Amino acid sequence: GDSVTQTEGPVTLSEGTSLTVNCSYETKQYPTLFWYVQYPGEGPQLLFKVPKANEKGSNRGFEATYNKEATSFHLQKASVQESDSAVYYCALGPDTNAYKVIFGKGTHLHVLP
Amino acid sequence: GGIITQTPKFLIGQEGQKLTLKCQQNFNHDTMYWYRQDSGKGLRLIYYSITENDLQKGDLSEGYDASREKKSSFSLTVTSAQKNEMAVFLCASSPTGGAAEQFFGPGTRLTVL
Repeated sequence: GDSVTQTEGPVTLSEGTSLTVNCSYETKQYPTLFWYVQYPGEGPQLLFKVPKANEKGSNRGFEATYNKEATSFHLQKASVQESDSAVYYCALGPDTNAYKVIFGKGTHLHVLP
Repeated sequence: GGIITQTPKFLIGQEGQKLTLKCQQNFNHDTMYWYRQDSGKGLRLIYYSITENDLQKGDLSEGYDASREKKSSFSLTVTSAQKNEMAVFLCASSPTGGAAEQFFGPGTRLTVL
């Protein structure tokens, strides 16, 4: 079945350093790929999505490229801030069911001031 | 814009008790979802509904019932609460299927004594 595997956390960085959260996926479909972010006490919210292979998505300084050949969608940011501390989820949808989205297990990022 | 409201925010029950969680959305979205969030396990789909009075089982539906009597509301019942299912339950809605953004509520944290 479809699956998403992402960097296991927690990831701890100092402010101003670069971030990469790896995300790999398996599917026989042609999915849309998502990154969601969840701040403490809130539900996840969309960071950005990319519907087509070989295209890049970006928002708030974060970016990821939908790499169909490598089946990857790694999240990157050049310089993290303390306010980026959150849980990041990679997701793909739909899977074989038109309404289902497969989420990764989440990566908890702590950014130290 | 719209909002998803989940009630209650915190739910404490006894083992074996039947407990109900409620979710309301004012986006006028057709599709609604219930997820369970356990630390280190990501988001796992319990039930979803693609329209009023429709119910579809997700990967974790055993031990749960759901109800969608109105387009705007989606409730989840824990049929017999167990200590190993203490988690955060997240409700989400989406305008269409799995390639669309999901909008999440803030969650209900369940504690079973």
